[in-house]
Amino acid sequence: SYELSQPPSVSVSPGQTARIPCSGDKLGYEYAFWYQQKAGQSPVLVIYEDNRRPSGIPERFSGSSSGNTAILTISGTQPMDEADYYCQAWDGTSQVVFGGGTKLTVL
Amino acid sequence: EVQLVESGGGLVQPGGSLRLSCATSGFTFSDYDMHWVRQAAGKGLEWVSRIDTAGDTYYSGSVKGRFTISRENAKNSLYLQMNSLGAEDTAIYYCARESTVRDMDVWGQGTTVTVSS
Repeated sequence: SYELSQPPSVSVSPGQTARIPCSGDKLGYEYAFWYQQKAGQSPVLVIYEDNRRPSGIPERFSGSSSGNTAILTISGTQPMDEADYYCQAWDGTSQVVFGGGTKLTVL
Repeated sequence: EVQLVESGGGLVQPGGSLRLSCATSGFTFSDYDMHWVRQAAGKGLEWVSRIDTAGDTYYSGSVKGRFTISRENAKNSLYLQMNSLGAEDTAIYYCARESTVRDMDVWGQGTTVTVSS
């Protein structure tokens, strides 16, 4: 079955740039979507179609994709950005796949 | 305001059944494909099932043949019938709306299912 791979954890200092990669064989032709999940809360969409930001999501959140890797970038990371981040894609048919998630620590 | 509210979770014995519901409001339910996604304690998100506006259904390999997704447009509601439950099905179950660009743009608060004797 199709898999998306993310590092389990990423650490960043406040004000610095955090980059969270997501790799998968089909990301070269399938969009990546990114969700933020804070402790005890439901997921929230932060990036769709590789690099588009929903209304209400701060501009410091951005996305990119090249080859088989998508990257979520958080510029000027704030303590409030500490959360789990999940990439998601479609497998080319009608199945949804999530990455294993990356815990972002802001310290 | 767009809202999704799950219900129906609880404690069930192994081998038992449970039916989850997701009540929606604030949008035209019949126009949207819908999903169920689950999350075991301390684990990541796992896609469970999808139903499109035509009523066609799709399942992950881990639940296919045991779970049934359905919708009742007249009641703006989504359902998940879960049979032959095992400990591995213990999780928070979220319903989510699929947007026109195929992301999950709205999520409910989740309902907790615990499978234990």
